[in-house]
Amino acid sequence: DAGVIQSPRHEVTEMGQEVTLRCKPISGHNSLFWYRQTMMRGLELLIYFNNNVPIDDSGMPEDRFSAKMPNASFSTLKIQPSEPRDSAVYFCASSLEGSSTYEQYFGPGTRLTVT
Amino acid sequence: TQLLEQSPQFLSIQEGENLTVYCNSSSVFSSLQWYRQEPGEGPVLLVTVVTGGEVKKLKRLTFQFGDARKDSSLHITAAQTGDTGLYLCAGARTNAGKSTFGDGTTLTVKP
Repeated sequence: DAGVIQSPRHEVTEMGQEVTLRCKPISGHNSLFWYRQTMMRGLELLIYFNNNVPIDDSGMPEDRFSAKMPNASFSTLKIQPSEPRDSAVYFCASSLEGSSTYEQYFGPGTRLTVT
Repeated sequence: TQLLEQSPQFLSIQEGENLTVYCNSSSVFSSLQWYRQEPGEGPVLLVTVVTGGEVKKLKRLTFQFGDARKDSSLHITAAQTGDTGLYLCAGARTNAGKSTFGDGTTLTVKP
């Protein structure tokens, strides 16, 4: 079975540009999570969806960040405009809520560099 | 305030040595997961513990959940270079909908 798929794997962009990260969760999973990982701050939860509905976006740093989940098999995280401090590895993870254990399955990540 | 404290933050040992890393909290969790993350990849789920006092073994790795379900430990016997990575614990509270991750322990096993 395919795991969580993320694209692109690497993104290098200039400050001020729009960046869109994409995620395809594991088929049948109904919760999707976006995380950001840096050396300084570790793994931070940005937002999570359940059944395509955003449940908690308290981790989204500011209005420049937005996330959507138009259907059960696709989600995007958009940064506009991007800034150098947004440079990090962004992970998408999915899980099956209702399992009571909240086990999450992570994608390979997108390494974002904003110059 | 970090909900889950992991210690030590960094650990460097020789191949063949034993080690234990810890995950502590003042909160009670309904379940706790351990993940391992290798450079350039996403975290990979190793184990889930749900019952206080539970012990699970995965080859040379032994995971224990505290009796009060507030803490956990991971013990590795005869570490190998392939064990190198970032070890993350994550706890979930009942009906929370999400897990909270610790900051991780970076383990380096030298040949």
